[in-house]
Amino acid sequence: DVVMTQTPVSLSVSLGGQVSISCRSSQSLVHNNGNTYLSWYLQKPGQSPQLLIYKVSNRFSGISDRFSGSGSGTDFTLKISRVEPDDLGVYYCGQGTQYPYTFGAGTKLELK
Amino acid sequence: QVQLKESGPVLVQASETLSLTCTVSGFSLTNYGVIWVRQPPGKGLEWMGIIWRNGNTDYNSALKSRLSINRDTSKSQVFLKMNSLQTDDTAIYYCTRVSTGFDYWGQGVMVTVSS
Repeated sequence: DVVMTQTPVSLSVSLGGQVSISCRSSQSLVHNNGNTYLSWYLQKPGQSPQLLIYKVSNRFSGISDRFSGSGSGTDFTLKISRVEPDDLGVYYCGQGTQYPYTFGAGTKLELK
Repeated sequence: QVQLKESGPVLVQASETLSLTCTVSGFSLTNYGVIWVRQPPGKGLEWMGIIWRNGNTDYNSALKSRLSINRDTSKSQVFLKMNSLQTDDTAIYYCTRVSTGFDYWGQGVMVTVSS
C-alpha cells in the first residue's frame, strides 16, 4: 500500500498568518495516464471532510485562492495564506493513483 | 445540487452483518463512481471500496473478504454490506462521489459494533 506521511502532526497559527503542510508518499503518485491523483481535504470539527485541492494543484469549486497545492512525484505541499477562523480543523492528503486509495494521518490546524 | 446521504443501523452486534445505503441526488450513478470511507472515533480516514460508473467494483484488500458494494441506479442508491463485524469496525461511515478527487461527501453515519 502507498503510505502517506504528513508533517507536522499539528500546527498553531495566528489569524492572518501562513502555514505549510507537507505530504510525502512512499511511491510515486504519477498514474499510468500521466495524471497525479493527490488531493487535499479539510475536516472541520464535527463535519465530513471537504475537498480543497485535486490533482496536486487544482482548487475545487468555491475554494479560496488562499489555498494552494504544489509538488510532484512523492513530495507535496499545501499552503494556506491569511489564515481565517473557518480554516481550522484537520487537513488530510489523499492519493487516488493506486489501490488501495490511502490518506495521510492528518494535520491539525489550531489557533495560537 | 449534489447530495449524498448515508443510512443504516447505528448499533450492530459483533459477528453480524452491516448494511448501509447511500442515497444520492443531483447526479447519476452511471456518470460518477461512489466510494465508501470510514473513520474510527478520533482517527483518520480509511478507503473501503469503490463502485465505478460502469458498475465495476474494487475493494481495499484488507476488507475484501468481508465487503461488497453494489447499487440500484434506478433508485440512485449505493449499498455497502460488510460481514463478520468486530468492535474495531466501529466508525463513522461516509459515502463520497468520485470525480478528480472525492468531491462531495455525505454527512456520515456513526456505526457502533457491540460485543
